[in-house]
Amino acid sequence: GENVEQHPSTLSVQEGDSAVIKCTYSDSASNYFPWYKQELGKRPQLIIDIRSNVGEKKDQRIAVTLNKTAKHFSLHITETQPEDSAVYFCAARPSVAGGGNKLTFGTGTQLKVEL
Amino acid sequence: DTGVSQDPRHKITKRGQNVTFRCDPISEHNRLYWYRQTLGQGPEFLTYFQNEAQLEKSRLLSDRFSAERPKGSFSTLEIQRTEQGDSAMYLCASSSLDRGETQYFGPGTRLLVL
Repeated sequence: GENVEQHPSTLSVQEGDSAVIKCTYSDSASNYFPWYKQELGKRPQLIIDIRSNVGEKKDQRIAVTLNKTAKHFSLHITETQPEDSAVYFCAARPSVAGGGNKLTFGTGTQLKVEL
Repeated sequence: DTGVSQDPRHKITKRGQNVTFRCDPISEHNRLYWYRQTLGQGPEFLTYFQNEAQLEKSRLLSDRFSAERPKGSFSTLEIQRTEQGDSAMYLCASSSLDRGETQYFGPGTRLLVL
């Protein structure tokens, strides 16, 4: 089955700096890679996703890059703000033919944006 | 609120008791998922439904766990003879075949087994 590794486990940045979180996956059949933000005690919320036919996607201060050959993808947050502080999870989903619709999540990155 | 809802939000039970959780997906979402999340970890897949059919179950789902989605709308997850190791957040998510399959999560049910 799929295995997703995520680094770093904690990340502390100064307000206004950039933050980068990296994930690797094992199943070459995976073709969909969402990123979720989870604030303490709240539900995971999708912030951006990317499909395997695209190498990069941006949404305002957030971008995701995908390297299919190396089987890794990254989340980039620019101009960080205190409200970006949360736990971020990457995930991978195989193609329907490869194994259904379940998401396999990384172990999360606790991002702290300091004033 | 038209998002995914879960009930109860918190449950405390004694070891050996049975518990049942409910999930109401986003209206007209035909896929419904259950995940379990323990402290400091990402959600782990348990099972998923397409309409009323349960299409996949994780090896994590022991025979003490059962899930149903009888009419293809809400779903229930029952844990029989609870154990302390069952303590976790149980998350439900739903998605639509017609809308890119993005999974939207509910607020979760936090279970504590004493």
